Amino acid sequence: GEQVEQLPSSLIVQEGASVLINCSYTDSASVYFPWYKQEPGKRLQFIIDIRSNMERKQNQRLTLLFDKKTKHLSLHITATQPGDSAIYFCSASRTNAYKVIFGKGTHLHVLP
Amino acid sequence: NAGVIQTPRHKVTGKGQEATLWCEPISGHSAVFWYRQTIVQGLEFLTYFRNQAPIDDSGMPKERFSAQMPNQSHSTLKIQSTQPQDSAVYLCASSLGTGGARAEQFFGPGTRLTVL
Repeated sequence: GEQVEQLPSSLIVQEGASVLINCSYTDSASVYFPWYKQEPGKRLQFIIDIRSNMERKQNQRLTLLFDKKTKHLSLHITATQPGDSAIYFCSASRTNAYKVIFGKGTHLHVLP
Repeated sequence: NAGVIQTPRHKVTGKGQEATLWCEPISGHSAVFWYRQTIVQGLEFLTYFRNQAPIDDSGMPKERFSAQMPNQSHSTLKIQSTQPQDSAVYLCASSLGTGGARAEQFFGPGTRLTVL
């Protein structure tokens, strides 16, 4: 079945550092890739998305890169803050389908 | 705005008992999703409704799991004859439903089910 893989599974960085989270998917029919984050004790929250007809999308300190050929995405977070500490989930879905496949998440811990 | 509401927040059942989980989507959202979250498996899609109609239940274990959406204001996930492996956090999410899965999903706080 469709799979979404994320690496690394965990990251510990100092405040101010930049981090890169990698994601790959197997379903060639996937066209939409939303990312969510889950802070400790809080709900999953949408943070950024990208469609397969785009290569790059930026939202403040978040930059999402997409390579359709290699079925790979990467989320770049700059100037990290302790408040960025959370689990980050990559996901993928098909056109006209509503099933969203999630990766297992990347635990980010930002030290003050 | 309370967002997506899920009740109960915690439920403990004995093996073989039934569990019913409730979800109230955000008003005006036409799509409702159910997921299961565990440490080992991560976030697993279970089923999805749009305008109260079941669209995709490919993630639902066929034997004991069922979901309904009797009206636009709530959905239920029922697990019959619960087993210890059903222990998980069950998440409900809703979205506007326009553009299908491209719409941002808003998640509830989850129901933590523990089967003893």
